[in-house]
Amino acid sequence: DIVMTQSPDSLAVSLGERATINCKSSQSVLYIPNNKNYLAWYQQKPGQPPKLIISWASTRESGVPDRFTGSGSGTDFTLTITSLQAEDVAVYYCQQYFTAPTFGGGTKVEIK
Amino acid sequence: QVQLQESGPGLVKPSQTLSLTCTVSGGSISSGIYYWNWIRQAAGKGLEYIGRIYNSGWITNYNSSLKSRLTISVDTSKNQFSLTLTSVTAADTAVYYCARAGAGFDSWGPGTLVTVSS
Repeated sequence: DIVMTQSPDSLAVSLGERATINCKSSQSVLYIPNNKNYLAWYQQKPGQPPKLIISWASTRESGVPDRFTGSGSGTDFTLTITSLQAEDVAVYYCQQYFTAPTFGGGTKVEIK
Repeated sequence: QVQLQESGPGLVKPSQTLSLTCTVSGGSISSGIYYWNWIRQAAGKGLEYIGRIYNSGWITNYNSSLKSRLTISVDTSKNQFSLTLTSVTAADTAVYYCARAGAGFDSWGPGTLVTVSS
């Protein structure tokens, strides 16, 4: 199984500031024939199921604000929230779908 | 807009069998484009992938740590898929989600809490 490792476990950011979450996979999730990274990001708020916010490592889902940006390739990925809003407080997970799906451990984002 | 809804008992006794069903509306489970998945989350913990079924002859893939106790099946006439987990213990207590996967899990049920306790 591909192991997904997220860092940090939690972070506190001031409103309007940048939040950066890292995700590392134990093997590459880049499929060379189509040059796509099989990596997704989710946002989960208390009492709710996770919400897909980014697929293919950098493609925002419909309706997701453009302050959310996914980047990276191969084994190293980043989710950046460029100007943190109160409604962004949540736990964020990365997940690979290159092979049988696996999730990172999650990163809790709070307001400083 | 596809919708998913989990259903099943909220309380299961240790050593017994946990059975859940996911009802899909707004789209056909037989379309062949998507995987149909089960995921769980223990209280205060992260997401654990359980397994999936998909219409390429209704192939299943299971989390290796659960494989010996797990069955995922489909009822196309009801547009449902199901999870059966045998010999449950307290460690199986969690919120269980069903979800559709294309590129990532793009639609989720609200989740159902299953508690394993005598």
